Amino acid sequence: GNSVTQMEGPVTLSEEAFLTINCTYTATGYPSLFWYVQYPGEGLQLLLKATKADDKGSNKGFEATYRKETTSFHLEKGSVQVSDSAVYFCALYNAGNNRKLIWGLGTSLAVNP
Amino acid sequence: DVKVTQSSRYLVKRTGEKVFLECVQDMDHENMFWYRQDPGLGLRLIYFSYDVKMKEKGDIPEGYSVSREKKERFSLILESASTNQTSMYLCASSMTSTKNIQYFGAGTRLSVL
Repeated sequence: GNSVTQMEGPVTLSEEAFLTINCTYTATGYPSLFWYVQYPGEGLQLLLKATKADDKGSNKGFEATYRKETTSFHLEKGSVQVSDSAVYFCALYNAGNNRKLIWGLGTSLAVNP
Repeated sequence: DVKVTQSSRYLVKRTGEKVFLECVQDMDHENMFWYRQDPGLGLRLIYFSYDVKMKEKGDIPEGYSVSREKKERFSLILESASTNQTSMYLCASSMTSTKNIQYFGAGTRLSVL
């Protein structure tokens, strides 16, 4: 079946540090991959996506590359800010999922000034 | 921009009460979802709907029901609230033709006393 595994948090960084949050997946065929972000007290919002192998999604300084050979979609940012403190969710959509997304458990990020 | 509106940000209810959580989306999406979010458990799908009057059970439907009488509105019903239903509830909507990117409301934090 389809599944998503994210690195466990919490992750604590100082401002301007480099961020990597690991995400690996199991799926048949060619899923679409997503990163969502949830800021404190809010719902989730789409951060970036990639729909085929070797695609790079990017938004707000965050990037993730769809690596089919390693079944990974790691989230990176070169220099984090305090405002990036949030929970980050990796998710996949596969055509056989009956319209549902498969979610990772989320990784909490705290950025200190 | 897609807007998903949940009727309440915070609710406090008593054990045994019937509770209605309302969700409205304004983008004519055919799919709508109810999740609950608990620390360490990520997002768990309660119910979803892919058309008016249609519903499908998610991963944890016990103790919940749903209603979708109009395309834009999806209601979650707790028939007899219990303390273990204290949680953050998130509504989302999506369109199958756009890879099922989900758009979320701000969430309802429900406390059952």
